[in-house]
Amino acid sequence: SAVISQKPSRDICQRGTSLTIQCQVDSQVTMMFWYRQQPGQSLTLIATANQGSEATYESGFVIDKFPISRPNLTFSTLTVSNMSPEDSSIYLCSVEGGLAGGLYEQYFGPGTRLTVT
Amino acid sequence: KQEVTQIPAALSVPEGENLVLNCSFTDSAIYNLQWFRQDPGKGLTSLLLIQSSQREQTSGRLNASLDKSSGRSTLYIAASQPGDSATYLCAVRRTSGSRLTFGEGTQLTVNP
Repeated sequence: SAVISQKPSRDICQRGTSLTIQCQVDSQVTMMFWYRQQPGQSLTLIATANQGSEATYESGFVIDKFPISRPNLTFSTLTVSNMSPEDSSIYLCSVEGGLAGGLYEQYFGPGTRLTVT
Repeated sequence: KQEVTQIPAALSVPEGENLVLNCSFTDSAIYNLQWFRQDPGKGLTSLLLIQSSQREQTSGRLNASLDKSSGRSTLYIAASQPGDSATYLCAVRRTSGSRLTFGEGTQLTVNP
């Protein structure tokens, strides 16, 4: 299994500002995923981040709003830019493990709880 | 497009009861299915992973079954405890390289 840490664990931010969330994994992984979970809702995939290439964004999410960095195989950041109250969510970093065995089990970090006022 | 539904949305039971959470999916061509637990305001913890060729997986008091042909999975929790209170999410993966599709979750409360 993979152990994932995220910083910060929570934050309260003012509208119009930006927040960068960090994700660290204890092993090298090819792909890292960023999800958003709005209050009372299930998870929505924001983007997939591969090391050495631009992130791939899902429909409804754009790089200007959610820029992502992936400088190496164990680390990624997600920035939430020009925040509004609608961005208040839990942001989750995720990786796939067990690829050698073809299991494709997914693991999640503890999440970053963002409140925008 | 794959859709995943979880019923019920919320469930409250007394401690010690055995219970079943349901997950259904519209496209039976799946690669695997994963059950997660989420505590309030926290990340997801993987509970059980079932490959498409498997019928069930067990871990402690948890047993997950998979019936691909009918598009259903169940998570059975034996002898429930207050510490089992959480939201339980199921997610399916269509192919080995595709993304997970999540259900809306079942919010479980186990009362002492």
